[in-house]
Amino acid sequence: GESVGLHLPTLSVQEGDNSIINCAYSNSASDYFIWYKQESGKGPQFIIDIRSNMDKRQGQRVTVLLNKTVKHLSLQIAATQPGDSAVYFCAVPTTDSWGKLQFGAGTQVVVTP
Amino acid sequence: DAGVTQSPTHLIKTRGQQVTLRCSPKSGHDTVSWYQQALGQGPQFIFQYYEEEERQRGNFPDRFSGHQFPNYSSELNVNALLLGDSALYLCASSLRRVNTEAFFGQGTRLTVV
Repeated sequence: GESVGLHLPTLSVQEGDNSIINCAYSNSASDYFIWYKQESGKGPQFIIDIRSNMDKRQGQRVTVLLNKTVKHLSLQIAATQPGDSAVYFCAVPTTDSWGKLQFGAGTQVVVTP
Repeated sequence: DAGVTQSPTHLIKTRGQQVTLRCSPKSGHDTVSWYQQALGQGPQFIFQYYEEEERQRGNFPDRFSGHQFPNYSSELNVNALLLGDSALYLCASSLRRVNTEAFFGQGTRLTVV
């Protein structure tokens, strides 16, 4: 079956440094990947997505890298700010027609001054 | 433009009771999915509604049921509540089943005592 996993439960990063959050997936047929940010007491918020025909996609201060060979994706946050403190999830829609989202367990990013 | 709204934001129920949670999708969206998020974990898919029918279901017992109304809003019902049902319940909406543009509400925090 399909599964999604994250490599680290907690990432502590100093303000201004870059953050890298990793995620592994199991289904080689997956063709779309999403990163969500969830702040305390809130629902997941879309950050950035990437399709399988791309290796890299950039947004505002965020970059997602996709390595289909090893079924791995990462989220890079440049110049991490206190407002970036949150739990980050990668989510992969299933490859059937309904595409329910499968989430990893999440990585807690803690930004220290 | 209002996003996904859920009600109530918090509630406390006793074991064995029944609960109904409500969700209004983002304007223009016609598909609603429900997720359960236990503390410290990623959201788990419960079910998805499209055209007022349950289209896909995750690994949840029949105690979990739902409904979608003609205006696309949705309800999640849980019968015979167990302590283990305590979680954040998230509603996500999208257009025509496609989860590539899923938007989440802030969730309903359910505590079963």
